[in-house]
Order: sequence, then structure tokens, then C-alpha cells
Amino acid sequence: AQKVTQAQTEISVVEKEDVTLDCVYETRDTTYYLFWYKQPPSGELVFLIRRNSFDEQNEISGRYSWNFQKSTSSFNFTITASQVVDSAVYFCALSTYKYIFGTGTRLKVLA
Amino acid sequence: GAGVSQTPSNKVTEKGKYVELRCDPISGHTALYWYRQSLGQGPEFLIYFQGTGAADDSGLPNDRFFAVRPEGSVSTLKIQRTERGDSAVYLCASSLDGTSYEQYFGPGTRLTVT
Repeated sequence: AQKVTQAQTEISVVEKEDVTLDCVYETRDTTYYLFWYKQPPSGELVFLIRRNSFDEQNEISGRYSWNFQKSTSSFNFTITASQVVDSAVYFCALSTYKYIFGTGTRLKVLA
Repeated sequence: GAGVSQTPSNKVTEKGKYVELRCDPISGHTALYWYRQSLGQGPEFLIYFQGTGAADDSGLPNDRFFAVRPEGSVSTLKIQRTERGDSAVYLCASSLDGTSYEQYFGPGTRLTVT
């Protein structure tokens, strides 16, 4: 069975703080893909990153970074020096033969 | 270029009526997905098209729900005998080719069944 768990329902931070959003997944497949999406208040889901199961190299894109660890089945997302515009719901997703989304983490960045 | 578009953006219908929701994917994307998102939840998979055929319709909740993609581009999600529990945002997404690729989402159709 496939499953994605985002245990943090809601996180509040003050602007400029760093914040990490957790994602734990379950799958028996050896080939799979992991994704993060952002859903701002406007409602439209925006793609952030895609990772395949054979590439455990961490990635940094500006203030965003992702840590993929197969040993713990985790794909965590860190925002450095958070800004108010980062306020949104963030979804982690797992894809093998189908896409499964987590329940999302609502991030509130306070000025 | 143009993103995924969905029409209508909002639909209010009475219980028992039939509704159609339309999705126009990104040109050249062979894979198309429908999801349903209830308040405070993640997108819930409904159906996935590869080209004209439904590659996976295991997420459709019951036989009141049906979707088509006759020419491999535009898709229509059809809901018969709507119930109040069908109220949600219906999201469409497309991707280049299959489930290994990132999906690009439309703005959604907010369906309210009264």
C-alpha cells in the first residue's frame, strides 16, 4: 500500500525563522517519485520539486531545500529565512503507478 | 504558454441534478488527472487518463461519477444525481507523460450542491 504522512497539521513561525515541513512515505515499490506542491490562499496548486527514488542527493533552490532519506522514508522540506509570502498549505506526494497526496501542512509566517 | 484551465470556476446545483465539469490541459500533455479536494484535505485521486483511455479510474467514488477524454485533450467529469456530499473543489491536472512527471494543476471548479 502507498501512503504519505504529513504529521504537522499547522505550523506558525515568525518571519525570518527557518522551518522544516516533514513528509514520511510508505511504498513497496523500488521505483517511485516524490513531489512537493504549494497551495497558496488563491487555491491553485504549484509544483515545487520532483525527486526519483534513485537520487538521494539533497537539493537547494534559493531559500528552499529538500532532504531525501530512503533509510527513513522521508522527504523533508526546509524554508530558510521564511517570508510572509511563504504562507500556504504545502503538500507532499508520492507516485508509483498513481499519485498519492498527503493531507498537507498549513504554514503561517507572521510578520 | 497557457496552463491548465477549468470551467466553470464555480457551479451551484440542486441535489439530484446532473453536472459537467470541463478541463483543458496543457497542450502536448498526454496524461490528465481529476482530483477532488474537500476543505482541509489533500487532493483525493479520482481518475487518470493516458491519452484517450482511462488508465486508472479506481478513485471514482461510485457509478454516479464518470469522465471522458474523447480526443486525448479536453476532458469532462460528469456527475449524475448530485448529492450534497459531492460538494468540493474538483481539480484537474496534466503532466507530460504518466505518473513519473510533475503535474500542473488548474484553478479548480468549486461545486456546491444545495
